[in-house]
Amino acid sequence: DTGVSQDPRHKITKRGQNVTFRCDPISEHNRLYWYRQTLGQGPEFLTYFQNEAQLEKSRLLSDRFSAERPKGSFSTLEIQRTEQGDSAMYLCASRSVTGELFFGEGSRLTVL
Amino acid sequence: AQKVTQAQTEISVVEKEDVTLDCVYETRDTTYYLFWYKQPPSGELVFLIRRNSFDEQNEISGRYSWNFQKSTSSFNFTITASQVVDSAVYFCALSEATGNTPLVFGKGTRLSVIA
Repeated sequence: DTGVSQDPRHKITKRGQNVTFRCDPISEHNRLYWYRQTLGQGPEFLTYFQNEAQLEKSRLLSDRFSAERPKGSFSTLEIQRTEQGDSAMYLCASRSVTGELFFGEGSRLTVL
Repeated sequence: AQKVTQAQTEISVVEKEDVTLDCVYETRDTTYYLFWYKQPPSGELVFLIRRNSFDEQNEISGRYSWNFQKSTSSFNFTITASQVVDSAVYFCALSEATGNTPLVFGKGTRLSVIA
């Protein structure tokens, strides 16, 4: 499968715990994006990378959110000290040179 | 600032009917891309189309067609002879054309096709 893959698909955690999501983009795509989607809403942009450089991070929801792409391949999104309001679907996408964004299946987070 | 408005929150149609999903956008960019994505119940966002702002030709792909009108800042999506498998949430999105800015999505339109 050469699409965007995300892991884990589902994560249930207790409030206050840290969680990390991983995204493996389509290999020839150098731009990688993280979005969040809550019920009944469209995807909300969080951050993106071109290769290993994080070009926009002002839209991360708080300083509890951080993302990395250390070698310009896979990326991780970490949420520290989770809150119930963090419950959502976290989507990763990679972008082709012609501009299309291809999404993974998402990582659904439930914070109890 | 960029903004995408999908005024129709939910639409229900009977199978074989035609249906049009509306999308209105706002941008100050002179060149930009417009997109449509489909999100079936399984949850994965599926790319349908990208349209460049300087190409106003309408496009048809099977039962799907798109009408881009710069004068009204609209990029509407029509499904002809709808089928139950078309039931999904459909999102319109916009980005600046260099690809250096993220896509901005509308809130989506939930389409239910009833057999």
